[in-house]
Amino acid sequence: DGGITQSPKYLFRKEGQNVTLSCEQNLNHDAMYWYRQDPGQGLRLIYYSQIVNDFQKGDIAEGYSVSREKKESFPLTVTSAQKNPTAFYLCASSIMGGQNYEQYFGPGTRLTVT
Amino acid sequence: QQQVKQSPQSLIVQKGGISIINCAYENTAFDYFPWYQQFPGKGPALLIAIRPDVSEKKEGRFTISFNKSAKQFSLHIMDSQPGDSATYFCAASKTGANNLFFGTGTRLTVIP
Repeated sequence: DGGITQSPKYLFRKEGQNVTLSCEQNLNHDAMYWYRQDPGQGLRLIYYSQIVNDFQKGDIAEGYSVSREKKESFPLTVTSAQKNPTAFYLCASSIMGGQNYEQYFGPGTRLTVT
Repeated sequence: QQQVKQSPQSLIVQKGGISIINCAYENTAFDYFPWYQQFPGKGPALLIAIRPDVSEKKEGRFTISFNKSAKQFSLHIMDSQPGDSATYFCAASKTGANNLFFGTGTRLTVIP
């Protein structure tokens, strides 16, 4: 089956710890994205990457870091600098091109930091 | 600043009724307007999308109406069913930019 996998589905961490969320896709998409979803705020873009070894900050990148060493993988690290990390995190991917293309989303990871 | 404004925040509709969700945008460079459907605990999935060269697009019970001059677009769900109960997001983007700007979402509940 082609698609995007995110693991784990639920993640619990203590305040002050860094945590890395996994995102893998086998759709052969060039572009990958990380969004954060909070109730009543929709989806907000954290980081995106259009090519291996390159990525761009989104609207709320502070306190987060990413890497793109392989086309199919785009892990997100939530650092201790992120003031309010508890949220639902969504990874997405799309093909690249001049036109707009559908973004395919993974099932998400719910992170709870206490 | 919210690039795409969506209303209402929540909506309750009787089975068989019409559900209407509205969105407005400011950036006239936007030329792609998708709607995503999200079930609890899942990622969003593309439902239907429109480009500004048409004023309406219909796929089954789902219709997007687009008003370019008013910079508004809306999703109509005809003959709403309990299985349509989900959160719906409108979004917008422009050619050459892969970023999607999402609305804040509408939680639709269809009661039997």
